[in-house]
Amino acid sequence: AQKVTQAQTEISVVEKEDVTLDCVYETRDTTYYLFWYKQPPSGELVFLIRRNSFDEQNEISGRYSWNFQKSTSSFNFTITASQVVDSAVYFCALKNTGFQKLVFGTGTRLLVSP
Amino acid sequence: GAVVSQHPSRVICKSGTSVKIECRSLDFQATTMFWYRQFPKQSLMLMATSNEGSKATYEQGVEKDKFLINHASLTLSTLTVTSAHPEDSSFYICSAMGLAGGNFKETQYFGPGTRLLVL
Repeated sequence: AQKVTQAQTEISVVEKEDVTLDCVYETRDTTYYLFWYKQPPSGELVFLIRRNSFDEQNEISGRYSWNFQKSTSSFNFTITASQVVDSAVYFCALKNTGFQKLVFGTGTRLLVSP
Repeated sequence: GAVVSQHPSRVICKSGTSVKIECRSLDFQATTMFWYRQFPKQSLMLMATSNEGSKATYEQGVEKDKFLINHASLTLSTLTVTSAHPEDSSFYICSAMGLAGGNFKETQYFGPGTRLLVL
């Protein structure tokens, strides 16, 4: 069975704070992809990152960084020096290779106050 | 790259009418498109998977006669909500996944969504 757990329903921070969004996944497959999407209030899901199960290198993109650890089945997302524009719902998702569907987590709502 | 458009962005209709929503991949070819429904403060619920040139595969509990999906080309899929009722009011989002072997494979790129209100 495949499952994605985002235990944090809602997080509130003040601008410039760092924040980490947790994502834990379950899958029996050895090859899979993990994703993070951002959904701002406008509703559109914005693709942030895709990570292949064979690539455990952490990635940094500007203020965003991702920590992929297969040993703990986690793919956490950190925003450094958060900004008000980071306020959104963030979804972690899993896709097994050979399958088309995405398995989404329930999302984490991030509220960044000025 | 990987831009997906959706039209209309918002629609209000009367109960009993049909509504068509278009989803287009603008800068890549998509063999597979997906239709989701999202209720307020909830995650996305997959309604159906649509492969170009073939019939859509609907998720359990989704009425295929009510939600008609057509995927006529590698860049266009449509969702028609037939005989809409107030309970069909929701946020509908499409996504597109690129050709195998292409730059946009293995990743779903989402459209901006359509807010449907049935009165």
